[in-house]
Amino acid sequence: DAGVIQSPRHEVTEMGQEVTLRCKPISGHNSLFWYRQTMMRGLELLIYFNNNVPIDDSGMPEDRFSAKMPNASFSTLKIQPSEPRDSAVYFCASSRAPGLAGDGVQFFGPGTRLTVL
Amino acid sequence: EDKVVQSPLSLVVHEGDTVTLNCSYEVTNFRSLLWYKQEKKAPTFLFMLTSSGIEKKSGRLSSILDKKELFSILNITATQTGDSAVYLCAVDNAGGTSYGKLTFGQGTILTVHP
Repeated sequence: DAGVIQSPRHEVTEMGQEVTLRCKPISGHNSLFWYRQTMMRGLELLIYFNNNVPIDDSGMPEDRFSAKMPNASFSTLKIQPSEPRDSAVYFCASSRAPGLAGDGVQFFGPGTRLTVL
Repeated sequence: EDKVVQSPLSLVVHEGDTVTLNCSYEVTNFRSLLWYKQEKKAPTFLFMLTSSGIEKKSGRLSSILDKKELFSILNITATQTGDSAVYLCAVDNAGGTSYGKLTFGQGTILTVHP
């Protein structure tokens, strides 16, 4: 089975540009998580969805960040306008939410390394 | 606020040594504790622990949970250079509508020298 798929793997952009990161979760998983990782702050949860519905976006740093999940197999994280401090690795993870059919183990995609100049 | 603290923050050993990594937590409604290994890429899942005193084992790695004292340890025996990585501990708080939201610790950086 394919794991979590993210694109692009690397993105270099200039300050002020719009950046869109993409994620395809593992088929059958109903929860999707977006994380950001930096040396200074470690792994931070930005937002997560359950059954395509945003549950908690309290980790989104500011209004420049937005995320959507239009269907069960696709999600985007958008930064507009981007700033140098947004430079980080962005991970998408998916899981079967804890319950009768799931145990909540999250599986991570390979990440997108974003550099904003 | 949920809290996960790992120690030590970094550890340098030689091949063949045994290491113990620690994870303590404070959550309002514990459901499970997970360990991940992160090399120069995405975190990969190692173990999920839900019950106290039951050891999970995979090759040279093992882990156990103490729900009374609110901590877990990850042991690696006969370390190899390939064990060099960041080891992350995370806790699933079942409170409210968490849907498996994890709170991660800051990680332990393990370096194994030949």
